[in-house]
Amino acid sequence: GENVEQHPSTLSVQEGDSAVIKCTYSDSASNYFPWYKQELGKRPQLIIDIRSNVGEKKDQRIAVTLNKTAKHFSLHITETQPEDSAVYFCAASVRRGNKLVFGAGTILRVKS
Amino acid sequence: NAGVTQTPKFQVLKTGQSMTLQCAQDMNHEYMSWYRQDPGMGLRLIHYSVGAGITDQGEVPNGYNVSRSTTEDFPLRLLSAAPSQTSVYFCASRASGRASFSYEQYFGPGTRLTVT
Repeated sequence: GENVEQHPSTLSVQEGDSAVIKCTYSDSASNYFPWYKQELGKRPQLIIDIRSNVGEKKDQRIAVTLNKTAKHFSLHITETQPEDSAVYFCAASVRRGNKLVFGAGTILRVKS
Repeated sequence: NAGVTQTPKFQVLKTGQSMTLQCAQDMNHEYMSWYRQDPGMGLRLIHYSVGAGITDQGEVPNGYNVSRSTTEDFPLRLLSAAPSQTSVYFCASRASGRASFSYEQYFGPGTRLTVT
């Protein structure tokens, strides 16, 4: 199969708290896992990605972890801010990297 | 670079009409894709292409055709519009990763289509 499941579908956190979004994938050959942020009415934009030969990657307040054995990867946002409020999508490459399959998205609300 | 461009931004069609959504990129990317985005459904792949002259079906290809005659352009054709095709359509492109280490996929601004 070529499914990507994403949880939770909505997440509300207090400003300054951490947020974690989790995804699982089904294609054991998947080797590229990007995360996209989409603000209301705008296009999705890449915020961080990870390849299968790396277990963790950080970029300031954002980090992604990958567990290839369990076929899941997670997005971690620390010290959340109101401007982090958006829809977040995970994705995984399938068909030898020829296409990306996306999760259904997580609506993140950061309350100030 | 203009990146990925899409036209039109908005379109209203009547059931049964046909139309073409245009997509172009100026980054010399090999891979191009079309997605539709419906509330709560995420981004679902309609068709994709790994190079000029090569196309393949995604998750939801029915009712849509594509062609890729050049590296730059990847139009999406709706053959006979139906209300179920009301959605936001995004075109995207990315490098194959063979010539560079970047797999980043870039999205166009989207086309909001309503079928009545």
